[in-house]
Amino acid sequence: ELKVEQNPLFLSMQEGKNYTIYCNYSTTSDRLYWYRQDPGKSLESLFVLLSNGAVKQEGRLMASLDTKARLSTLHITAAVHDLSATYFCAVDPGNQFYFGTGTSLTVIP
Amino acid sequence: DAGITQSPRHKVTETGTPVTLRCHQTENHRYMYWYRQDPGHGLRLIHYSYGVKDTDKGEVSDGYSVSRSKTEDFLLTLESATSSQTSVYFCASGSSDSSYEQYFGPGTRLTVT
Repeated sequence: ELKVEQNPLFLSMQEGKNYTIYCNYSTTSDRLYWYRQDPGKSLESLFVLLSNGAVKQEGRLMASLDTKARLSTLHITAAVHDLSATYFCAVDPGNQFYFGTGTSLTVIP
Repeated sequence: DAGITQSPRHKVTETGTPVTLRCHQTENHRYMYWYRQDPGHGLRLIHYSYGVKDTDKGEVSDGYSVSRSKTEDFLLTLESATSSQTSVYFCASGSSDSSYEQYFGPGTRLTVT
């Protein structure tokens, strides 16, 4: 059974602090995606990582992919309240996505 | 943003009734997907399509069927709704041209009483 595990599931952090969300998966995949979801809303694409060693940055978020370790990280730098949301990773080993259960992030002023 | 709409956005129905949810995309994407989202489970794939009339089952397909007669439309049918199918349903579409990235619709909140 393919598993995609995110850690932590819940994260409460102060504004200005740094933190990393981890996404481990149990199958071979060269494609990994990060999404953001605000409460009651749809999913918004953040990053598309397509190869081992891929790193992408947008604002205070940076995502990386290590396909050998089957691990992706989403690093948050100097968090601000607007980053409060649920973050999902998804792997695509073939013809469908498998999502993690999400990390609910709350940034406290 | 990809143009993906879902209808209806909210629906309340009774156990045992058939329900059809519609997904419409204007991006000419080859691939379309139906997911359900439940607390503690993230998103789980119900069915997907890789072209007109080409569909396949996902992780949680029991009790659901789909049809795709046109590139832009993907229908999800609950033949006889059950309370366990109360959920938020998301449609998504994508193509190989965009690295198979999936673009999501706004969601349909379905309540089965």
